[in-house]
Amino acid sequence: KAGVTQTPRYLIKTRGQQVTLSCSPISGHRSVSWYQQTPGQGLQFLFEYFSETQRNKGNFPGRFSGRQFSNSRSEMNVSTLELGDSALYLCASSPRGTGFGNTIYFGEGSWLTVV
Amino acid sequence: SQKIEQNSEALNIQEGKTATLTCNYTNYSPAYLQWYRQDPGRGPVFLLLIRENEKEKRKERLKVTFDTTLKQSLFHITASQPADSATYLCALEEADSWGKFQFGAGTQVVVTP
Repeated sequence: KAGVTQTPRYLIKTRGQQVTLSCSPISGHRSVSWYQQTPGQGLQFLFEYFSETQRNKGNFPGRFSGRQFSNSRSEMNVSTLELGDSALYLCASSPRGTGFGNTIYFGEGSWLTVV
Repeated sequence: SQKIEQNSEALNIQEGKTATLTCNYTNYSPAYLQWYRQDPGRGPVFLLLIRENEKEKRKERLKVTFDTTLKQSLFHITASQPADSATYLCALEEADSWGKFQFGAGTQVVVTP
């Protein structure tokens, strides 16, 4: 069974540009969540989607957005990039929805550098 | 304010000894607490899950305890091996925020032969 796949793995963008990151969850998983990881802030929750609906959102500005498609694949977009957006962006999927103490399975992440 | 605190200093331990990591939280009411392992440049990998009504869980050389009164979880690696060297993260999930995991900053463990 293939794991969570994230693309691209590495990318460099210029301040002010926008970026779209893609995530393909494990087959059969309906929940996809996104996290930002930086040395200073650790792993921070961005948002979580289940069956194409955003269920939870973290404390990030509106420049960070996401969506989920009917096949559970997800994308996140960051507009008007700032230097502080440089981070490892991790996608995670889990099989079910609410209240089951699901484990989440992470991808290898997308390394974003903003210059 | 809400906080999840893990030892920020690396834990250096000799092979064969038991490593004990701490996760303390403030102003959370977790229904579940999980522990993950993360290697440099990789995504975290799930290790153990414990529910709010459970005191202890074990899996092979790993043990986790959960004390909701103390608001603390302890994670033990017994008979540690150099391959256990990694950063270990605790994560909380609350009942009113399913799917939203709050992670601690992690504790790096270094096991020396």
